[in-house]
Amino acid sequence: DAKTTQPPSMDCAEGRAANLPCNHSTISGNEYVYWYRQIHSQGPQYIIHGLKNNETNEMASLIITEDRKSSTLILPHATLRDTAVYYCIVRSSNTGKLIFGQGTTLQVKP
Amino acid sequence: DTAVSQTPKYLVTQMGNDKSIKCEQNLGHDTMYWYKQDSKKFLKIMFSYNNKELIINETVPNRFSPKSPDKAHLNLHINSLELGDSAVYFCASSQAGPSTDTQYFGPGTRLTVL
Repeated sequence: DAKTTQPPSMDCAEGRAANLPCNHSTISGNEYVYWYRQIHSQGPQYIIHGLKNNETNEMASLIITEDRKSSTLILPHATLRDTAVYYCIVRSSNTGKLIFGQGTTLQVKP
Repeated sequence: DTAVSQTPKYLVTQMGNDKSIKCEQNLGHDTMYWYKQDSKKFLKIMFSYNNKELIINETVPNRFSPKSPDKAHLNLHINSLELGDSAVYFCASSQAGPSTDTQYFGPGTRLTVL
């Protein structure tokens, strides 16, 4: 299963864009990149996923490099409610298991 | 309408007891999961069921037994509880098999074993 590397923590000013990086250099060609977040004391929440192309939804944008070895999750206008642990996950193509790492703790500050 | 619900939210019990946590999803999904999040906040999959059949069974003590009475429910029974079982347990569901779809998580059950 491909491993991901994320910075342990990041700060972002309220209203600014939050850019959360993730390295996944061992990703296989058919493995998707998923992003989830976990707000304190809640269950993980799905944000977005992608394979090769950049993706955007109502929550965020996902930028995947051409070689697929890294990606960036972008929250365009961070709010205080976006403070959470953000997990970048490469979903196993064999089992589909989500293997959660330590994630990035994003602190949005006023 | 809660998509994935779990009961109870909190469970405090003594070592050696047997307890159950219930999970229900109203999303019409085929696959359900149990995850454990320990004190260090690592989230690890325990089990996965697809249409009432076990498809993922990680290295979990056999004191833990999932039971799926129907597609919408996946309950977790734990026998002879130990201190190390204290954790937050999350149920999740997804539409198709585990290799193809997005998982939606419940709010979690915080289990404390004294």
